[in-house]
Amino acid sequence: AQKVTQAQTEISVVEKEDVTLDCVYETRDTTYYLFWYKQPPSGELVFLIRRNSFDEQNEISGRYSWNFQKSTSSFNFTITASQVVDSAVYFCALSEAGRDDKIIFGKGTRLHILP
Amino acid sequence: DSGVTQTPKHLITATGQRVTLRCSPRSGDLSVYWYQQSLDQGLQFLIQYYNGEERAKGNILERFSAQQFPDLHSELNLSSLELGDSALYFCASSVEGDSNQPQHFGDGTRLSIL
Repeated sequence: AQKVTQAQTEISVVEKEDVTLDCVYETRDTTYYLFWYKQPPSGELVFLIRRNSFDEQNEISGRYSWNFQKSTSSFNFTITASQVVDSAVYFCALSEAGRDDKIIFGKGTRLHILP
Repeated sequence: DSGVTQTPKHLITATGQRVTLRCSPRSGDLSVYWYQQSLDQGLQFLIQYYNGEERAKGNILERFSAQQFPDLHSELNLSSLELGDSALYFCASSVEGDSNQPQHFGDGTRLSIL
């Protein structure tokens, strides 16, 4: 069965600090996809990144970076030089390739960036 | 703006009633997904449609049903409503039907059951 765990329920950091959001997943498939979504206070869900299980290269997009480690089943998300606008709930998600196309979300991590 | 439109934004109704939530996907997207977000359950996948046909089913109750119409808009029907059905219901769309595609979410419909 697939499962996504975001152990950090809530994190608060001061603006300009770096922060890492953890995501640990469980799957029995060898082919799967991992995602991060952002839910700002306005409520909508915004797609941030998709990574497939065969691509362990880390990715950087501006102040955002993602560290995918199959050995520890983790897909962590780091925000560098955080800004108040980064305050949101961040969801990690997993989908397994195959007939049963479902996507499973973690419970989310609420990130507060303090000015 | 994700391009996914959900109506209504807010819905208040009573237990035992039935409601219909509507979703228009992004232009060109063939697949529609429905999710329920509640405080205790988090974000739960309910059901997916691709080009008018049911593609995948998640934790959708028997009291709930959905469909996707020929113009690709989708409706989620919730009946015999209970207090626990109060939640934010999201619709998302993607170009194709595979769950590895990035999904673009609407703003959600907040359902409150009194």
